[in-house]
Amino acid sequence: GAVVSQHPSWVICKSGTSVKIECRSLDFQATTMFWYRQFPKQSLMLMATSNEGSKATYEQGVEKDKFLINHASLTLSTLTVTSAHPEDSSFYICSASAFYEGEKLFFGSGTQLSVL
Amino acid sequence: DAKTTQPPSMDCAEGRAANLPCNHSTISGNEYVYWYRQIHSQGPQYIIHGLKNNETNEMASLIITEDRKSSTLILPHATLRDTAVYYCIVRPLQGGSEKLVFGKGMKLTVNP
Repeated sequence: GAVVSQHPSWVICKSGTSVKIECRSLDFQATTMFWYRQFPKQSLMLMATSNEGSKATYEQGVEKDKFLINHASLTLSTLTVTSAHPEDSSFYICSASAFYEGEKLFFGSGTQLSVL
Repeated sequence: DAKTTQPPSMDCAEGRAANLPCNHSTISGNEYVYWYRQIHSQGPQYIIHGLKNNETNEMASLIITEDRKSSTLILPHATLRDTAVYYCIVRPLQGGSEKLVFGKGMKLTVNP
């Protein structure tokens, strides 16, 4: 199946700093990518929908100024957690739809963020 | 909000078939049933999806009832590596822009 690459796999940062997470579709073009967050022992929660060349659509309760999403090309979307705090520590996962694969959504391997 | 309900957990013996149920009584005519699974600390993995006909691939079979209000994912010969949280999701197909909304899923434990 299609491959979605997410980087880094894990990151530790100090409180107040910003962290950027990259999501790449390696063998297909993705006009739409999705960003999820998952806390321990909980399900995935959709944060935002990232559209190439336009502003992201955020789910209710997700601060757009804190979680900056950029989808500048058909193969790359980035999520920047600005001024990170310990409560932002979570598992962040991106996904992209591969139209040629029959509308399946493929997921990256996730990024574990720990804010000290 | 998730439109599916699954039991919270299920056990299965290694080598046996695992039948994972899912209820989606409010599914719309244009919504497909998707199954994903998530092994601890990894991204979800696509398993299978279908609209109303039964589907089979190298990983599993999907049986959808005629009224489409429920479905069953079948892992024909469960292995220890199939231990994971399984998510049943309904999603319309609209050019790839429709999001997947995850419910709580069901923890499948395959025992030796």
